[in-house]
Amino acid sequence: AQSVTQLGSHVSVSEGALVLLRCNYSSSVPPYLFWYVQYPNQGLQLLLKYTTGATLVKGINGFEAEFKKSETSFHLTKPSAHMSDAAEYFCAVSFTSGGGADGLTFGKGTHLIIQP
Amino acid sequence: GAGVSQTPSNKVTEKGKYVELRCDPISGHTALYWYRQSLGQGPEFLIYFQGTGAADDSGLPNDRFFAVRPEGSVSTLKIQRTERGDSAVYLCASSPTGQGLPPTEAFFGQGTRLTVV
Repeated sequence: AQSVTQLGSHVSVSEGALVLLRCNYSSSVPPYLFWYVQYPNQGLQLLLKYTTGATLVKGINGFEAEFKKSETSFHLTKPSAHMSDAAEYFCAVSFTSGGGADGLTFGKGTHLIIQP
Repeated sequence: GAGVSQTPSNKVTEKGKYVELRCDPISGHTALYWYRQSLGQGPEFLIYFQGTGAADDSGLPNDRFFAVRPEGSVSTLKIQRTERGDSAVYLCASSPTGQGLPPTEAFFGQGTRLTVV
């Protein structure tokens, strides 16, 4: 079975500093990878996704992530944190098997705190 | 509406009661998913519909949980004999993904917060 590990349930950075949220997955087949963000009292919103092609993907709000097959990682980064980035971030994987979309397997989430 | 709509937004029920949670997906989306999110956890997959049929129900925790999507649009998640451990936020998502295609973005509703007392 596939699994997703997000290292650090809470990450705190200063405004303007680099944001790095870590995600590792386990898989025997190439996965599709996603990052979702959940703001307080709001639904999950897609930040970015990797399916095929370029391993560095750019998303909304200045976030990007790089798929590294050798490290089974898909870490999320943003060069300069903004106060509005404070939220819960979830890494997720989807594995296609025999055609058709599978559900997503989510990590436990990382709560990003931005210090003024 | 333009997004995924879930009703009710909050539901409080007594242990042992039956509840139904409704999901109205984005028009035209063939794929529909149900997830459960417990406090401090990521969403946990429950069931996936492609059209009217349940393509994957491997995430349903036991036979007290059942979901339907009779016309390939609105879906209802049904929980019988509710237990306190069923308390969670139940999320619905829809996607335009068709069979045999890579997954695209899944659009999530805001969820139904179920509290079993």
